[in-house]
Formats: sequence, structure tokens, C-alpha cells
Amino acid sequence: GAVVSQHPSWVICKSGTSVKIECRSLDFQATTMFWYRQFPKQSLMLMATSNEGSKATYEQGVEKDKFLINHASLTLSTLTVTSAHPEDSSFYICSAPIIWDTYGYTFGSGTRLTVV
Amino acid sequence: AQKITQTQPGMFVQEKEAVTLDCTYDTSDPSYGLFWYKQPSSGEMIFLIYQGSYDQQNATEGRYSLNFQKARKSANLVISASQLGDSAMYFCAMREEFGVDSSYKLIFGSGTRLLVRP
Repeated sequence: GAVVSQHPSWVICKSGTSVKIECRSLDFQATTMFWYRQFPKQSLMLMATSNEGSKATYEQGVEKDKFLINHASLTLSTLTVTSAHPEDSSFYICSAPIIWDTYGYTFGSGTRLTVV
Repeated sequence: AQKITQTQPGMFVQEKEAVTLDCTYDTSDPSYGLFWYKQPSSGEMIFLIYQGSYDQQNATEGRYSLNFQKARKSANLVISASQLGDSAMYFCAMREEFGVDSSYKLIFGSGTRLLVRP
């Protein structure tokens, strides 16, 4: 149980366009979703935390207007990269805490974004 | 602020041998959790092992064990009897308290790339 489905797995888009990444909890209600970005051979850096029904909390240095996060329901959180540029090319991965489980987290399978 | 340090960017180990991946952490919170994850080239995050700050014994999960030294603030991962399939990135992570509802966020170390030689 506690599966998060992330789509798309990979996407290529042109500079200046927007891309939406979805993370959907399949068998539990995710009141919180963490969004990470990972550049090649680097660590996962937390970008923001979304909570169902409220505004997302962004980490320092992350542009709120560029990375739009929406958590409109208990089963869906989305990250939209607006006006994408080549430097936004990265691996994006979502994660939800599992409050009934000490080991606590389930991860999406990640989205590899390439901006050309 | 909490911090996780992994000082080994890359490690080699011979198949069937044991290997230790280092992790040190820094926190002022008396209650915390430490995790190890494996990330193969596919990018998925695979949970390996968890250690709570109040756990008296070191955690073990099959071939994985965690050498938890609280006073030294270290939480090293030991992989015994390495297999070729163990070649991957390994991340140490710490659960950091966040928000009034204690929704914890994970912070990650920089990772160690392990390569198992046949």
C-alpha cells in the first residue's frame, strides 16, 4: 500500500513553454506532498511542500512563480514548471509521508524533464 | 538547521565483500529519524533501513545494517555480501520536524555512488 503514481516519466519541451507533473496517491490520502529536484549525480533538494487545501511552502531560493504547486485534493498534487528554460532540465520527484508508518515515506517514480 | 553529510562520493567493493557507507548528521532536535535509500539508475527511491533516535539497538534489514553511534552523530550503512545489483547511489536522510502538525520533511545527504566489482 501507500503508492504514489507520478506522470509523466519523462518529458521534452521547448523553452518558454509550461510543463505539468502530476503525483497521485492511489491507495491513501496524501495531505502533504514534498517536491524534490535532482540534478545529475547530485542529491535530492527539497523545493517545496504542498498541503491539501492550502498554499505551498517553498524552500529558500525556489521561485514560487516559476514552480507552481497545487494540491487541490487529497489524492493529487501537481507541479507546473512555467516558462521552462534549459537550466530547469532536471529529475523531479515527489514524496508523501505515511503517517501510520514509522518508515514514513513513499516516493513517486520521478519525472525527467528536458527543456530544449 | 539540520544537516546530513556523506563524505564518500564514490566507493568500490568486491562482490561478496562487505562495505560501509558513511553518514554523519547534525541536529539539535532530540527526536529524529535516520533513513537510507538506494537509487538505481532508473531513479526510483528504494527504502533500505530506518533508525529512530531513541532506538536502543542498531537497525538491521537483511543484508543491511545501520551502525548508529548517537554520541558521534553517525549512522553508517553496512552492506554485507555485496551483490552486483547493489551498484547504485545511496542516500542518507534525516527526518526533520516541519509544521504545527508534525509533518516531517526529509533532508538528504549528497549521496555515495557504490560500484560492485565482479
